[in-house]
Order: sequence, then structure tokens, then C-alpha cells
Amino acid sequence: DAEITQSPRHKITETGRQVTLACHQTWNHNNMFWYRQDLGHGLRLIHYSYGVHDTNKGEVSDGYSVSRSNTEDLPLTLESAASSQTSVYFCASSDQDGSYNEQFFGPGTRLTVL
Amino acid sequence: AQRVTQPEKLLSVFKGAPVELKCNYSYSGSPELFWYVQYSRQRLQLLLRHISRESIKGFTADLNKGETSFHLKKPFAQEEDSAMYYCALGSWAQKLVFGQGTRLTINP
Repeated sequence: DAEITQSPRHKITETGRQVTLACHQTWNHNNMFWYRQDLGHGLRLIHYSYGVHDTNKGEVSDGYSVSRSNTEDLPLTLESAASSQTSVYFCASSDQDGSYNEQFFGPGTRLTVL
Repeated sequence: AQRVTQPEKLLSVFKGAPVELKCNYSYSGSPELFWYVQYSRQRLQLLLRHISRESIKGFTADLNKGETSFHLKKPFAQEEDSAMYYCALGSWAQKLVFGQGTRLTINP
């Protein structure tokens, strides 16, 4: 069955370190998204991609970057982790030609920056 | 500006009681509204979308363009409805704007 996975599921890192969170989908979806989930803020869009080599900034992109070298993967990199980036990160994908913008979500990665 | 507001962070009702989770939106175009749900230890999943006009797990939601609202309702709450609920607005280019979320607790 097609699915979307994230790794690691939990990560503890130190301030200033570079961290990469992986997202892999087998839906063959063109669109992929990264969100962070914080109490009181809901889900906020970090970066998104409409296809290979396409990346776009979302609402809270500062301190984050993504790259899309193939359809299946959209890794999220924190260039220099900060305590404010402690959060739960969700990856999602959707079919470019699909109806009604339904997005399919991964299980999430809980990141703690000490 | 595109915005989704869920005024209640927490909502607690008793089993069998009616449930209403409020959602208001701000959008200049023709909106597409969704409710996503996240059960404990599960991933976020689509519950329902306004254009389908369907009932899922006993929940319904009607889009009221005059009041810019998309409230989620269920006449008789069940314990398995306890979860985090997010209202979302489908904006241009396949993006979603989420509300802050409402944590629903159903008491036995």
C-alpha cells in the first residue's frame, strides 16, 4: 500500500547543529509539504514543493531549507538548530491533479533542541 | 488574508451530548473547507470536506458563506471522538491553511 513515512520519529539535538528530517512517500504525488505543529498555533507551513527541483517558502521558513531531487523525497534541513525549533514536524503530500486539496500526512517527527 | 480561527482550544462534553466545534475563516475567493482529525498516537487524517456534503462518523459540517463559518457537529458524542480537530482552508495552489486546533474530550 502507498504511504508516507518520516524518520527519525524522535530526535534530540543541540543548539547550533545541523539536522535533517526525512520524508518519503510512495503515493507518487507531485506536491509535498512540511508543517510544524505547536500548541496555540496549529499547523504552520514551512516549505512546499510541486515537483522535482521545485521548492517554495511557506509561512515560517526562516532557519529551514528543503530540496527535491526526486518525486518520493522531501528532506527538511535545519541549518543551525535553535531552541525555538523544538516542535513536532509533519510531512504531507497531495496529488497535483487530485480533488479538493486533500493532503496525506506522515506520522510526525518530534524534535527537541537543547 | 487567509485565516482560519478555531476559538476553542479545549472542549469537553459528556458522552451522548451534542458536540459543536467552531471554525471561522477569512478568504476572499471561493473557499474549500476541510476538517482534519488527529486521534491519540495516530497521524492527521481528513475527516470531511464541505464539497462532499457527507457525514463521516456521525459528523457533519455546513459551509455558511454569510457567516464565513464551517462548524463541525455531531448530535451524540461518543468516547472514541476524543481527539484533536483542525479546521483547514484550501487556498490557491493546493496549499492548506490550518486553524489552531480544538482538543475534544468526551467524558464517560
